Amino acid sequence: AQTVTQSQPEMSVQEAETVTLSCTYDTSESDYYLFWYKQPPSRQMILVIRQEAYKQQNATENRFSVNFQKAAKSFSLKISDSQLGDAAMYFCASLETSGSRLTFGEGTQLTVNP
Amino acid sequence: NAGVTQTPKFQVLKTGQSMTLQCAQDMNHEYMSWYRQDPGMGLRLIHYSVGAGITDQGEVPNGYNVSRSTTEDFPLRLLSAAPSQTSVYFCASSTGLAGGPGETQYFGPGTRLLVL
Repeated sequence: AQTVTQSQPEMSVQEAETVTLSCTYDTSESDYYLFWYKQPPSRQMILVIRQEAYKQQNATENRFSVNFQKAAKSFSLKISDSQLGDAAMYFCASLETSGSRLTFGEGTQLTVNP
Repeated sequence: NAGVTQTPKFQVLKTGQSMTLQCAQDMNHEYMSWYRQDPGMGLRLIHYSVGAGITDQGEVPNGYNVSRSTTEDFPLRLLSAAPSQTSVYFCASSTGLAGGPGETQYFGPGTRLLVL
């Protein structure tokens, strides 16, 4: 069974600065996907970034990038040039390709200070 | 495309009442699922479906039923509501194809349920 752990319940960052959210996971499979989702106060779940485990290159989407350490089973999210609109709950999630079931971490509440 | 839609947005029930949470998607996705979200916890899978006529249990299925008579719709039924079912419920869909872009799940806006 998959497990996903986010050890930081809350994080804060100053506007325009960089913040890193941590995530570790455990899976017995060699092929899987990892995701970061953002949940603003509207409660909508929004996909931020995804990483295929077979790819060594870290995924990047504009100001969002990941540090994927497969051996350490670590998948952190870096947000550069933080904006007020980045304030939200962020969830890390994993998906094993043998099934289609997402497993979520507990979430990290990010506050962006002006 | 409307994507994934859920109704109602908010519902209050009394203990013992039954109700159905509706979920629909217009992306012709085969895979649909229901999650519940509780404070301090991530989303937990309730039930999922890999196609019309096929459903299976997730992590927390007790007290919920599902059916999948069409590709588009995946309703979640609460048989006899309990206060422990107070939560926010999310429906999601994807093409479910391993290795393809369908691994991205599209979420609905959520339904807030309060059971008194």
